[in-house]
Amino acid sequence: AQSVTQLGSHVSVSEGALVLLRCNYSSSVPPYLFWYVQYPNQGLQLLLKYTTGATLVKGINGFEAEFKKSETSFHLTKPSAHMSDAAEYFCSVSDLGDLIIFGTGTRIHILP
Amino acid sequence: EPEVTQTPSHQVTQMGQEVILRCVPISNHLYFYWYRQILGQKVEFLVSFYNNEISEKSEIFDDQFSVERPDGSNFTLKIRSTKLEDSAMYFCASSEGGRTAAGANVLTFGAGSRLTVL
Repeated sequence: AQSVTQLGSHVSVSEGALVLLRCNYSSSVPPYLFWYVQYPNQGLQLLLKYTTGATLVKGINGFEAEFKKSETSFHLTKPSAHMSDAAEYFCSVSDLGDLIIFGTGTRIHILP
Repeated sequence: EPEVTQTPSHQVTQMGQEVILRCVPISNHLYFYWYRQILGQKVEFLVSFYNNEISEKSEIFDDQFSVERPDGSNFTLKIRSTKLEDSAMYFCASSEGGRTAAGANVLTFGAGSRLTVL
């Protein structure tokens, strides 16, 4: 069965500092991997996705993530945090079928 | 940009009452989903729907829940007799294709319907 683990439910990052959100997955088949963002009082918005091909994927708002099969990881990074990045971020995995499993989410707090 | 629309944005109901949450998926999408998020917890899969039938459902989706696509555009989630623990944000999503599609089953989510059961 597939699963997703996100380390840390809350992360505080200084404005301008590196953002790193960790995600590890388990899947019995090559997975599709996603990061979604949820801004306050809004729905889930796709940040980026990995399906096949290049393992470093770039998304919206300057975020990127790297698929590392050997580490079963898909960590999300952004070189320089901005106040507008304050939100909750969900890593998710999908293998065969329609089912997408979400992680527990990590809320980013941006410190001025 | 096409979006998934959900109504109502917030509903308050008494325990035991029936609730219907409505969703208008993106028009050319073929797969439809409901997820829920209890306050402070993770987003949980409820059900997926394709070709006018349920394709997959979780153990959360028991006999109190049902889904239908009554008119080719709306996609509804019905809770027959609400319980306190049904209080959550319910997200509708749609996707163009499933696993085998080039779009890799990317879901577009609505803004959610917050259900409060008293």
